[in-house]
Amino acid sequence: DAKTTQPPSMDCAEGRAANLPCNHSTISGNEYVYWYRQIHSQGPQYIIHGLKNNETNEMASLIITEDRKSSTLILPHATLRDTAVYYCIVRNSGAGSYQLTFGKGTKLSVIP
Amino acid sequence: GAGVSQTPSNKVTEKGKYVELRCDPISGHTALYWYRQSLGQGPEFLIYFQGTGAADDSGLPNDRFFAVRPEGSVSTLKIQRTERGDSAVYLCASSSGPGSYNEQFFGPGTRLTVL
Repeated sequence: DAKTTQPPSMDCAEGRAANLPCNHSTISGNEYVYWYRQIHSQGPQYIIHGLKNNETNEMASLIITEDRKSSTLILPHATLRDTAVYYCIVRNSGAGSYQLTFGKGTKLSVIP
Repeated sequence: GAGVSQTPSNKVTEKGKYVELRCDPISGHTALYWYRQSLGQGPEFLIYFQGTGAADDSGLPNDRFFAVRPEGSVSTLKIQRTERGDSAVYLCASSSGPGSYNEQFFGPGTRLTVL
């Protein structure tokens, strides 16, 4: 799976949009971009994933650049409960891809 | 419905002892995974079960680590002759099937401390 690069930490004011970047310049055509987050003392939680189109669900939006070398996870109205470590993961599609390869992620702190 | 549960939540043991960590996956999930997370790091893959069999144990660090899933549901991670370097949070996840199409649901983890 391709390697990802994320900033180690970010701050966001409560109620504002949090934009978390991820670089994955070596991504290949059959690899998806996944985002998980881990709130303190909990296991990781799936947020969203995408291949090349922008995606949105009830938790977040995922914007993938046209060349697919980077992406941004957007939390539209951050709350204090969104304080967590956010992991960007690139992963092959298909039944053979079951292992999640986590980096160190971005520690997002939402400030009141 | 119930999520993935892990017991105990905390385990403190002495160097050289044997420990067992238990994972109860979501009912009906055929795939089960163990990960290990050291302080300040992301989780690292240890082993993957599809049903009762270990389909991939390439992440187990050495032969002191072993995991079983005898009936295709509950899994136990076993660590022999524990070392201080084994101290970490051990996470279990399950999914309805293998592969990237199926979301992995994680438990809260077991924090293992080896003194």
